[in-house]
Amino acid sequence: EVQLVESGGGLVQPGGSLRLSCAASGFIFSSYWMSWVRQAPGKGLEWVANIKQDGSEKYYVDSVKGRFTISRDNAKNSLYLQMDSLRAEDTAVYYCARYRRGFYYYMDVWGKGTTVTVSS
Amino acid sequence: EIVLTQSPGTLSLSPGERATLSCRASQSVSSSYLAWYQQKPGQAPRLLIYGASSRATGIPDRFSGSGSGTDFTLTISRLEPEDFAVYYCQQYGSSFTFGQGTRLEIK
Repeated sequence: EVQLVESGGGLVQPGGSLRLSCAASGFIFSSYWMSWVRQAPGKGLEWVANIKQDGSEKYYVDSVKGRFTISRDNAKNSLYLQMDSLRAEDTAVYYCARYRRGFYYYMDVWGKGTTVTVSS
Repeated sequence: EIVLTQSPGTLSLSPGERATLSCRASQSVSSSYLAWYQQKPGQAPRLLIYGASSRATGIPDRFSGSGSGTDFTLTISRLEPEDFAVYYCQQYGSSFTFGQGTRLEIK
């Protein structure tokens, strides 16, 4: 079964750091682009970051550039999101998603999400 | 950045009725890069449609997508009780953006 499982969320103070992880199984992780997408409480979906199969290309939404870093370890079938200088507006459920990038671009497999709360 | 505007914000219909959801882009979007997702409360989004009109694996044929350029539509031909949810369109231009969502509720 194709599966993504996020972990690492929690409560953190403004200005703090958190590292999210996403464990992939049931597919060849190293063959796919991967993404992080977040959803603030009661709000819509917001794309956060993408990473290429070998980690050589990374893209971010403007609001997290310079603060968040996406990375992956293909040997461990794992995706990561290092979040620094966290702000209240980063409070959200963070989803890991498999990003299909070929003739079509879309996200076809999603994890259940991990919740990040930034508050003092 | 391409902005996607979905309408209506909320759609109230009864099971068995036809639902038509709209997604309008602020500038032209490649059909290859337009997708639709369904999200139920407390759940992750689920891919319904990619390439504007191709159904994802396991998606019933009552779901269909159409459109091009700046105007795209998701149609559910005959609503089932499990279809009441929030629906998002998504595009890729130079980056991904999502619409704000349409809530489909039971009338």
